[in-house]
Amino acid sequence: DTAVSQTPKYLVTQMGNDKSIKCEQNLGHDTMYWYKQDSKKFLKIMFSYNNKELIINETVPNRFSPKSPDKAHLNLHINSLELGDSAVYFCASSLGTSGTQYFGPGTRLTVL
Amino acid sequence: AQTVTQSQPEMSVQEAETVTLSCTYDTSESNYYLFWYKQPPSRQMILVIRQEAYKQQNATENRFSVNFQKAAKSFSLKISDSQLGDTAMYFCAFMAPNAGGTSYGKLTFGQGTILTVHP
Repeated sequence: DTAVSQTPKYLVTQMGNDKSIKCEQNLGHDTMYWYKQDSKKFLKIMFSYNNKELIINETVPNRFSPKSPDKAHLNLHINSLELGDSAVYFCASSLGTSGTQYFGPGTRLTVL
Repeated sequence: AQTVTQSQPEMSVQEAETVTLSCTYDTSESNYYLFWYKQPPSRQMILVIRQEAYKQQNATENRFSVNFQKAAKSFSLKISDSQLGDTAMYFCAFMAPNAGGTSYGKLTFGQGTILTVHP
């Protein structure tokens, strides 16, 4: 009965590769988010979708592309991975944009 | 731009005692939301408490309570009867409306405070 799930939990890959992280929520929420937590544990929002519409698009390299096929899913595709992309990526969801955000377990991405 | 500052990088407390974590924020908005999240070593982000800025009453959740001082832009978290399971990194977070005031969503986090509860 996991509320917000992400796959994979760990991802190790080489520089230059393309990878995707998937997120699904079963809370009936209509808004989903991607956050990045760097090595100093600082958390920063990357994107947000509300009813499949992109509403937050922070200053993120265009190698990062979110996709929301429906309200329950938000995927993150990363092209041409760089060393600096190594981080933990969290997905979150909320009911409405002012609702409390519930986070997934995170995906630790390591770029070698 | 909104900023959130947690001035205590690390705190420690004995089991069963009370500890207060500090958070200040900077904004020109009048309507906003404040949160405390905890991140234990498992790395899961867990909501501790939420406060709406328009509510004067301080939020409480069991052993967790906040001291919300809107004029001072301060939002501290008090943990009573500390337990070993409270050991975690605690993040203060702020959410304000977007430039057009049409939606919210963007959580701005502080740097975090590592709390260690000792037996």
